[in-house]
Amino acid sequence: EDQVTQSPEALRLQEGESSSLNCSYTVSGLRGLFWYRQDPGKGPEFLFTLYSAGEEKEKERLKATLTKKESFLHITAPKPEDSATYLCAFTGTASKLTFGTGTRLQVTL
Amino acid sequence: DSGVTQTPKHLITATGQRVTLRCSPRSGDLSVYWYQQSLDQGLQFLIQYYNGEERAKGNILERFSAQQFPDLHSELNLSSLELGDSALYFCASSVDLETQYFGPGTRLLVL
Repeated sequence: EDQVTQSPEALRLQEGESSSLNCSYTVSGLRGLFWYRQDPGKGPEFLFTLYSAGEEKEKERLKATLTKKESFLHITAPKPEDSATYLCAFTGTASKLTFGTGTRLQVTL
Repeated sequence: DSGVTQTPKHLITATGQRVTLRCSPRSGDLSVYWYQQSLDQGLQFLIQYYNGEERAKGNILERFSAQQFPDLHSELNLSSLELGDSALYFCASSVDLETQYFGPGTRLLVL
């Protein structure tokens, strides 16, 4: 069965303390692996799409990487404004997104 | 701002009632998706339309239905509402069946 698991469920970092979020997936025929950021009560905001193992994408303090079984979202020197829930999702044979339950990130001063 | 608009932002109604949620996709996007987000279930895919035609169905209840109109806006109809239908409902759109951009959502509260 296609599924995605994110860890940790919650993460608390101090400003400047780098870390990584994990997304493990099982899908027959991965088309795309997506990362979104969601603030409370808001719609998911698109961050990255990754298509093949070895691919990496960067945006400001965020870098997403992909292997055949996992994706990582690396956060370098985070700031309080990076606090949000980060969602991982994939598309397989269907174009619907299958989401993980997310990692709630809190960055404190 | 993703360019996807949803109305209304909030909706409070009673059990047994019927409501309609509206979504306007980004300019040029032919595909519209509906998702439900509740506290215990996370984001769940409901249904997809592509250029007016139903393309895929997820865990959508029979009490729920959707359509996409010629101007590409979409409506999600929820009927015989139950307390458990209270959730955030998101619409997303895409141009190429790949990256989906989400709207701000409609928060539905069924009392």
